[in-house]
This record gives sequence, structure tokens and C-alpha cells, in this order.
Amino acid sequence: GAVVSQHPSRVICKSGTSVKIECRSLDFQATTMFWYRQFPKQSLMLMATSNEGSKATYEQGVEKDKFLINHASLTLSTLTVTSAHPEDSSFYICSNNRGPYSPLHFGNGTRLTVT
Amino acid sequence: TQLLEQSPQFLSIQEGENLTVYCNSSSVFSSLQWYRQEPGEGPVLLVTVVTGGEVKKLKRLTFQFGDARKDSSLHITAAQPGDTGLYLCAGAGGTASKLTFGTGTRLQVTL
Repeated sequence: GAVVSQHPSRVICKSGTSVKIECRSLDFQATTMFWYRQFPKQSLMLMATSNEGSKATYEQGVEKDKFLINHASLTLSTLTVTSAHPEDSSFYICSNNRGPYSPLHFGNGTRLTVT
Repeated sequence: TQLLEQSPQFLSIQEGENLTVYCNSSSVFSSLQWYRQEPGEGPVLLVTVVTGGEVKKLKRLTFQFGDARKDSSLHITAAQPGDTGLYLCAGAGGTASKLTFGTGTRLQVTL
């Protein structure tokens, strides 16, 4: 299966600052990556689909200016939480797959805490 | 909006017991996946079921996809503490890329 590396695993930041999370596809070139958010004791919610070389596709209700996604290369997608607030505190997880009919494989997630 | 309801939400059992987790929806899915997630980590894929009525076994875990491809179940035989975790079903409407995740079942297996 696909191998996905996510960094950092934990980050604590002050309210108003921005945080960048990196997601790397280690074993193949991924034209598409997916970003999920998970609140404590809840399930995963898809935030956006990151597309290499073009704009990300955001799910309904997700602010694209708040959650900036960049997929500049076939192995790296980044999610930047801009002007973070305490309510942005969550577990963010990226994933990708080898093709549209292949199962998703997930990174280990990033625990963001905004104080 | 496709919704996947899992039951039970939380299950605490002793080692050696059997259990079944259900994943139900009113929508039809082209495939359904089961994941297990441990605290502070991403979900790990356990199985993908594609055909209505399909049954797959993975050691002590048995997965079934409903005939109508709207529901699924996960049965664990002789649970062990290592089975502890959050179990998530996820349905794919078309491609496997865009998944709808279930509400999750948190399993705790004690000695």
C-alpha cells in the first residue's frame, strides 16, 4: 500500500498565528491527496482534495482562505491553517491512494492545539 | 449527503469475548472499507469489500457486505487487548478516493 508521511505530529501555537502541516507520499507520485479533520472521539471529515498543479477542491463548509492547501509537487501537499483560533484545534490527517479505485492510506496525523 | 451510522458507539468487553460492529446507511456504496485507528495515529486499512453479500476473513475478524451494499458488519472472535481501538467503516460512492466515514465504534478489550 501507499506510504504517507505527515509532519509535524504535534504542534502548539498561539491564537492568530499560522501553522503549516506537510504530507509526503513516500513511495509513489501522488497527483491527488486528501485532507481530513477529526475532532476528539469523533469520526473523520473530509476537508479538501489537494490536486497537484491546480487548485484544491474544498468540501462544503470548509473555508478555503482559512485552510490553504498547496500541492506543488507530486510527493508533497501542505495544509496551512491561517490565523488559527482555539476552535481550529483538532487532529488533521492526510491520505492518498495509488488510483481512484485503490484504498486510501493515511498519514499518522497532526495534533494541533491553539492556545 | 451519505451518512454511515455505526453501532455500538462504544463497547467494553473482556478478553475472549466475541463482538459485532454494525455499519448502516440508506445509501448504496460501490465499496466499503474498514479501518482501525489507535490514539494519535492515522487509520489503518483492514479490508475492502466490494460485492454485495461478500464475506472476508482476516484471522479473527470477519467482515460482511450487505446484499444491497448499504450496510456492513465486523465480527471479532475471541477479542484480545490488541484489538482495542477505534473502528471506522467508510463507504465509497464512486471511486475509492472520496470516502464517507462512519460515526465510529470505540472498542476496549480488557484482560
